[in-house]
Amino acid sequence: AQTVTQSQPEMSVQEAETVTLSCTYDTSESDYYLFWYKQPPSRQMILVIRQEAYKQQNATENRFSVNFQKAAKSFSLKISDSQLGDAAMYFCAYRSSNNNDMRFGAGTRLTVKP
Amino acid sequence: DTAVSQTPKYLVTQMGNDKSIKCEQNLGHDTMYWYKQDSKKFLKIMFSYNNKELIINETVPNRFSPKSPDKAHLNLHINSLELGDSAVYFCASSQDPRPAKTQYFGPGTRLLVL
Repeated sequence: AQTVTQSQPEMSVQEAETVTLSCTYDTSESDYYLFWYKQPPSRQMILVIRQEAYKQQNATENRFSVNFQKAAKSFSLKISDSQLGDAAMYFCAYRSSNNNDMRFGAGTRLTVKP
Repeated sequence: DTAVSQTPKYLVTQMGNDKSIKCEQNLGHDTMYWYKQDSKKFLKIMFSYNNKELIINETVPNRFSPKSPDKAHLNLHINSLELGDSAVYFCASSQDPRPAKTQYFGPGTRLLVL
C-alpha cells in the first residue's frame, strides 16, 4: 500500500525568505500523481502544485516549485519569497493512475513570521 | 468565491440517527466524489458521479446513499449511523473522471457518532 510521510509537523519561515517542506512516499507503481495541497484556517483544501510521475521536469507555479526525485521517492515543496498568506497546513498527497484513492501525509503546519 | 463547499463542517449525532452532508462546487466540473478519511489520513473513495450519473460505487454499506440533483451538487445521506462512521468526509470535484484530472477538495465534514 502506498504511504506518504511528512516528517516535519511544523515549520516556520521569515517573510520574504524561502522554505522547503519535505515529503516522501512509498509505492511499487511507476505511474502516479503527486500533489501539494494547502489548507488555511478556513479549512478549504487548495491545490498548490501537482506533478506527474512520468515527467522528469519539476513542476513550478509562481513562487512554488517542487523537487521531484522519483528514484528516491521524494517530493519536496519549495516556497520562495514567503508571504504572510502562505501560512497554512500543507499536505502532500499521492494518487495512483489506476484508481481514485488519494493518500495524504499527516501535514506540515507552516508559520510565516513578519 | 469558494470552489468546493460542504455543509455542515461539524456534525455530532447519536447512533441510529439519519444525517445528510451537502456538497456544492462552482467550478463547472462534470465529476464529483465523496471520500472518507481514516485516522491515517488515507482518503478512501466512496462514490463518484459524472454528469449526475453514478460511475464509482465502492464497497460501502447500503446505509450510505449519494444523490446528485445536478452537476454542481453531490449530497451524502447516511442512515442508521454507527460508531464506525465517525470520520472526516471530503467532497471533491474534477473536470472529468480521468485520474489525470486534478481533484479539488472541499474543507471536509467532521462526523462524530456517539
